Amino acid sequence: QKEVEQNSGPLSVPEGAIASLNCTYSDRVSQSFFWYRQYSGKSPELIMSIYSNGDKEDGRFTAQLNKASQYVSLLIRDSQPSDSATYLCAVNGGAQKLVFGQGTRLTINP
Amino acid sequence: EAGVAQSPRYKIIEKRQSVAFWCNPISGHATLYWYQQILGQGPKLLIQFQNNGVVDDSQLPKDRFSAERLKGVDSTLKIQPAKLEDSAVYLCASSLVQGAGETQYFGPGTRLLVL
Repeated sequence: QKEVEQNSGPLSVPEGAIASLNCTYSDRVSQSFFWYRQYSGKSPELIMSIYSNGDKEDGRFTAQLNKASQYVSLLIRDSQPSDSATYLCAVNGGAQKLVFGQGTRLTINP
Repeated sequence: EAGVAQSPRYKIIEKRQSVAFWCNPISGHATLYWYQQILGQGPKLLIQFQNNGVVDDSQLPKDRFSAERLKGVDSTLKIQPAKLEDSAVYLCASSLVQGAGETQYFGPGTRLLVL
């Protein structure tokens, strides 16, 4: 079982709709959870971090964490073509190192 | 505030040759990371430094890869000899301190192609 799992996609969403990205992790002692956005040919950039169960909202982005289910998600409301990118879920567990999923490729269709 | 700097941005070498990458972290950041990102995959941690000491190098192929961080600032990652499967983007990242919640800031990466 991979430490951090994401659906590689591609996920295609119409402009203006809600994009939902999901991630599961295996290490139960994981403490910190991050979503990075990576445009093609560019380096990852942090868009959201979440540390406790529940929802965390930042503009059009909402991160959701459920530690009991070992599940973290990212919702993007009012999706824009500029949101088209690969979204990487990263988990910082007991080993104090960041483990990334393989990423989900998101395409927003105008 | 200047970001993480890396050079070169691109490198093409033949297998069995050697190559070195350089990274300058954000000023004041004590922790420095080197990641390998193969096409279609997420970044994989190769080595983590806290100041000039190694914290984690469990996934560094030590028979061919080496890294150092002199004086706790700049870092170099070397591959000798390179293999075809080393073709990837090598990302350097830094964070202010080491900790579970610390944000890591990535440099632009070095794209390596081994022929």
